[in-house]
Amino acid sequence: GDSVTQMEGPVTLSEEAFLTINCTYTATGYPSLFWYVQYPGEGLQLLLKATKADDKGSNKGFEATYRKETTSFHLEKGSVQVSDSAVYFCALAPGGNTPLVFGKGTRLSVIA
Amino acid sequence: NAGVTQTPKFQVLKTGQSMTLQCAQDMNHNSMYWYRQDPGMGLRLIYYSASEGTTDKGEVPNGYNVSRLNKREFSLRLESAAPSQTSVYFCASTGTGEQPQHFGDGTRLSIL
Repeated sequence: GDSVTQMEGPVTLSEEAFLTINCTYTATGYPSLFWYVQYPGEGLQLLLKATKADDKGSNKGFEATYRKETTSFHLEKGSVQVSDSAVYFCALAPGGNTPLVFGKGTRLSVIA
Repeated sequence: NAGVTQTPKFQVLKTGQSMTLQCAQDMNHNSMYWYRQDPGMGLRLIYYSASEGTTDKGEVPNGYNVSRLNKREFSLRLESAAPSQTSVYFCASTGTGEQPQHFGDGTRLSIL
């Protein structure tokens, strides 16, 4: 079945460091791909998405490119801030009304 | 501007007690979902409802029942709570196609 694998955390970075969180997927067909962010004590919020190969999703300085050839959707940010500390989830939508498939999440801590 | 509303936000139960978690969305979404989130396990789908009048099991349905009361509301019931059901429960909804899911803020449930 479809699955998402993302790098284990926690990830600890200093403010202004470069961030990469790896995400790879296994899917039949051509899924849409998402990154969600969960701040402490809150639900998940959509951070960005890409619906087809080579699409780049971006939001709040975060970017991810849908790479069909490597089945990857890595999240990047050039300069992280303390306020980016959260748990990040990679997810795929198999299509139709089939529920999203989530990775296990990666906790990011940014220290000043 | 409510989005997905979950009640209650916190609850403590004794083993064997029953409880219904409520979820309502005001975005006219067709599909609704219940997840549980446990440390190191990411999000696991309990049940979902692709449209009003239908429900389907997810990855971890045992010990739970659901009701899609109408298009807005989707409740999750624990008939006889067990300590293994201590978790944070999230409700989500989405429209048609591959739109992203919108999440509530969660219900933190402890079973003693």
